[in-house]
Amino acid sequence: QKEVEQDPGPLSVPEGAIVSLNCTYSNSAFQYFMWYRQYSRKGPELLMYTYSSGNKEDGRFTAQVDKSSKYISLFIRDSQPSDSATYLCAIAHSGGYNKLIFGAGTRLAVHP
Amino acid sequence: DTAVSQTPKYLVTQMGNDKSIKCEQNLGHDTMYWYKQDSKKFLKIMFSYNNKELIINETVPNRFSPKSPDKAHLNLHINSLELGDSAVYFCASSQDLEQVDGYTFGSGTRLTVV
Repeated sequence: QKEVEQDPGPLSVPEGAIVSLNCTYSNSAFQYFMWYRQYSRKGPELLMYTYSSGNKEDGRFTAQVDKSSKYISLFIRDSQPSDSATYLCAIAHSGGYNKLIFGAGTRLAVHP
Repeated sequence: DTAVSQTPKYLVTQMGNDKSIKCEQNLGHDTMYWYKQDSKKFLKIMFSYNNKELIINETVPNRFSPKSPDKAHLNLHINSLELGDSAVYFCASSQDLEQVDGYTFGSGTRLTVV
């Protein structure tokens, strides 16, 4: 079983839609949860960071962590064509020497 | 002014060759990483260095040898290249070994082995 599972998609939505991206993980020791956005031919860039459980909101983006279910989500409201990218979840735990474990990435296309 | 820069951006080479990828960061970070992203976009850590000291070596074949001449540079040398080495290699840096949310990635080096 992989440490983190993510549906690779692709996911295609119309502009303005609400997008839900999800990952599950297997080890309850993970405490740090991140979402990265990767545009084509570019490096990943950090979009959202959450420590432990709960919600975090930043503009149109909301990250949720449910540690009891080992489930993390990223919601994008009012999606824009510029949101078209691959979204990767990443997890880590303390004592892990800052090693990030990534999901496979979900490719999102927002069409006008 | 690029924070994490990698050279070359593209590398096409034949099986059996030896090649190097260079990485430099100007962020003053202590920790640097190499990640490999395969054709399915799966991104996996290979190595990490903290102040020139090897911290993580993630069961990578010993054909891959990282070298950190100083904390701003982390190079990756690959011997006897194989078809399966074709991937995008990303260099990254973070302030230290604890700043989980502080990674900065380079733009990647796309390696194709023919």
